[in-house]
Amino acid sequence: EPEVTQTPSHQVTQMGQEVILRCVPISNHLYFYWYRQILGQKVEFLVSFYNNEISEKSEIFDDQFSVERPDGSNFTLKIRSTKLEDSAMYFCAIRDRATNEKLFFGSGTQLSVL
Amino acid sequence: QQQVKQSPQSLIVQKGGISIINCAYENTAFDYFPWYQQFPGKGPALLIAIRPDVSEKKEGRFTISFNKSAKQFSLHIMDSQPGDSATYFCAALTGFQKLVFGTGTRLLVSP
Repeated sequence: EPEVTQTPSHQVTQMGQEVILRCVPISNHLYFYWYRQILGQKVEFLVSFYNNEISEKSEIFDDQFSVERPDGSNFTLKIRSTKLEDSAMYFCAIRDRATNEKLFFGSGTQLSVL
Repeated sequence: QQQVKQSPQSLIVQKGGISIINCAYENTAFDYFPWYQQFPGKGPALLIAIRPDVSEKKEGRFTISFNKSAKQFSLHIMDSQPGDSATYFCAALTGFQKLVFGTGTRLLVSP
């Protein structure tokens, strides 16, 4: 099973501040995803990223959000000006290169906006 | 059309019993149906998955039953154990598009 490492595991920030969440897939993959999960709720799709560009995004992924793969390895999610409602667990996922259908998730970053 | 409906919201099963979680979908373009298991504070972990060309898939104590005509699929956990206590999400996928999750079922297996 491919390993997906996310940092930090917890992030506390003040409303209006910028945060950057990082994802490091251990092996080489093509498709990357960000999902989020508000406490006690379902896992919601934010954005998919393929070939160094966004391939799909949800209505949640507004202008405050951006994604990057700056060095060909790390995959980042930036929230420019955090709001209270951005508090959630954020998961990075990769699509398994071998089967092209299995998605594997990282252990998440718990973002708390105060 | 992109929704996956999941029930029940929560489930309590005695140790050794069978846990059954059901999901239904509308979009007939979905062609891959995984189940994920999530423990508190952890990411969803792929448990078992099925494609619509088969009606059942079994891996150990976990079985997916798939009814293509009814657009429904279910997860059966045989001989449920306290260690199975977790939240279970069904999901659906088409091609290279996003994975759509159900609303989740919180399973508690009592000792």
